Formats: sequence, C-alpha cells, structure tokens
Amino acid sequence: TQLLEQSPQFLSIQEGENLTVYCNSSSVFSSLQWYRQEPGEGPVLLVTVVTGGEVKKLKRLTFQFGDARKDSSLHITAAQPGDTGLYLCAGAGTYKYIFGTGTRLKVLA
Amino acid sequence: EPEVTQTPSHQVTQMGQEVILRCVPISNHLYFYWYRQILGQKVEFLVSFYNNEISEKSEIFDDQFSVERPDGSNFTLKIRSTKLEDSAMYFCASNDPGQGYEQYFGPGTRLTVT
Repeated sequence: TQLLEQSPQFLSIQEGENLTVYCNSSSVFSSLQWYRQEPGEGPVLLVTVVTGGEVKKLKRLTFQFGDARKDSSLHITAAQPGDTGLYLCAGAGTYKYIFGTGTRLKVLA
Repeated sequence: EPEVTQTPSHQVTQMGQEVILRCVPISNHLYFYWYRQILGQKVEFLVSFYNNEISEKSEIFDDQFSVERPDGSNFTLKIRSTKLEDSAMYFCASNDPGQGYEQYFGPGTRLTVT
C-alpha cells in the first residue's frame, strides 16, 4: 500500500517567518503534486514535480522532489496570512493519486 | 480557463436512500476520478475511470458505489443505499496523462446523510 506522510500536521507561525513542509513515502512515484485546499473547497493544484532532484519555484514557494522520487518538500519564504490553508501532497500511482495526510498552516499577522 | 464542475454543491439525504453526484470533467480530458474527504480527514481515492470502464478502485468503493459516463460530458457517482458514514465531501477530478501529470479537481459536493 502506498502511503504519503506529511509533517508537520499543524503549523502556526508569525507573518514573515519561513517554513518547510515535508512529504515522505517508502514508495516511488512517477510524479508528485502539491495542492492547497481552503475549507469547503476542492484542492487547487500548485505544482507538479516529475524528475528526481527537481526544484520548482512559485513566487515565495519552493518545491523539491527527492532524488529517489519518494519524498518532497515545500518551503515558504516570508509567510503571509494569505498563505493560510491546508497543504496536500499527492503522488501519482497507476490510475490514481495517493494523497498525503495534509499540513494545516496558519500564518498570524 | 477550463474547469471541472460538480452538482449539487450540497446534498442532504436520508440513510438508505440513493444519491447521484454529478461531475462535468474538463472536455478534452480522458481520465476521471472520484475522491472523498470526510470532515477533518485526508483525501481518499475512490475510483478512476477511462475509456468507459473502471481502471482502479479502492477498498472503499464497494458494491454500493457505481460510476457512469452516461453521455459525452457527464461523469456520475451513485451511492445505492447511503449510510451515515458516507457523509463527506466528494470530489471529482480529471486529467489527460498525455498532456502531463496535472489533475484538476472540482469544487466538491458535500453529502450529508441523516
């Protein structure tokens, strides 16, 4: 069974701080997606990483795919209250996507 | 920008009743998915569908569940006899692996079984 564990589960930080969210698995994925989800809404795709060691940047967000394609990280620089939300990683399996356990981020003004 | 749509946004039903949740995937996508998310829990894969048949299903997707693509645009999830524990957000998603790994989600249907 493919599982994705995210850490931390909850994170509350002050505006301007940096943070890193981790997504780990014992399985290899062909690609990994990061989503952000607001309460009562569907996940919104942030980025897809495909190649081992790949780094992608989306403004203040930096995503990295592990060399072995089993793990990924999301780093946010100078967090803002607008970054508050549930961050989900999802690994592409055969005909399905396996979602991580989620990291709930709260950025305080 | 094309998007996945879902109806209804909220469905309330009594235990034992049948419900049909509807989705319109992005028009040129070929793979369709249903996921569910119980309040406060992770997003769980239910089923994937390609070329008018189920590609993969999870252990959650038992005989009470079925999916159908009744026409060229809609993709439905039917729950035959709802249980209290079926209460959740149900998300539809679609993608075209030939265009990349990105999977796009609809806004979800909140199903409340009373």
